[in-house]
Amino acid sequence: GENVEQHPSTLSVQEGDSAVIKCTYSDSASNYFPWYKQELGKGPQLIIDIRSNVGEKKDQRIAVTLNKTAKHFSLHITETQPEDSAVYFCAASIASNSGYALNFGKGTSLLVTP
Amino acid sequence: NAGVTQTPKFRVLKTGQSMTLLCAQDMNHEYMYWYRQDPGMGLRLIHYSVGEGTTAKGEVPDGYNVSRLKKQNFLLGLESAAPSQTSVYFCASLEAGTPGLRSGQYFGPGTRLLVL
Repeated sequence: GENVEQHPSTLSVQEGDSAVIKCTYSDSASNYFPWYKQELGKGPQLIIDIRSNVGEKKDQRIAVTLNKTAKHFSLHITETQPEDSAVYFCAASIASNSGYALNFGKGTSLLVTP
Repeated sequence: NAGVTQTPKFRVLKTGQSMTLLCAQDMNHEYMYWYRQDPGMGLRLIHYSVGEGTTAKGEVPDGYNVSRLKKQNFLLGLESAAPSQTSVYFCASLEAGTPGLRSGQYFGPGTRLLVL
């Protein structure tokens, strides 16, 4: 089955700096790659996603890049703010119109210090 | 519109006891999922359902059973709880159709389960 590796497991940055989280996946058939943010005591919330026919996607301060050949994708957060502090999960899936199940990385705990 | 709700929020069980976790969604989503989250392990899929009356096994199904008798509800059962099932359980739902065009899987707030 699909194996998703996520690095680093913890990341500390200063407010205003950029943060980058990287993931690799094993199944070349995977075609959908969402990123989730989980705040303490809450369920994960989708923040951005990308499909395999796209190399990069941006939404304000967050962006995701995908390299299908190397089977890795990354989350970039620019101008970080303290409220960005949370655990971030990447996931990979073989998605179809019949639905999909997500294979998650183990998470990155991001701390943004003022 | 409450989204995805889970009951109970927290529960303590003794080894061997049984319980049912309830997930409810009011978005008319076709697909529903149960995950467990353990420290350093990320989220792992237990069971899922692609529609009312259907269920399928995920990555870690042993020791759990599920039922989807109504479209809006997805129940996760533990017949004989074990300490290894101490975890935080998350339910998620998804609208039918191509992912990425909508907002992906919606997660509930979680149920924290402690098995002594």
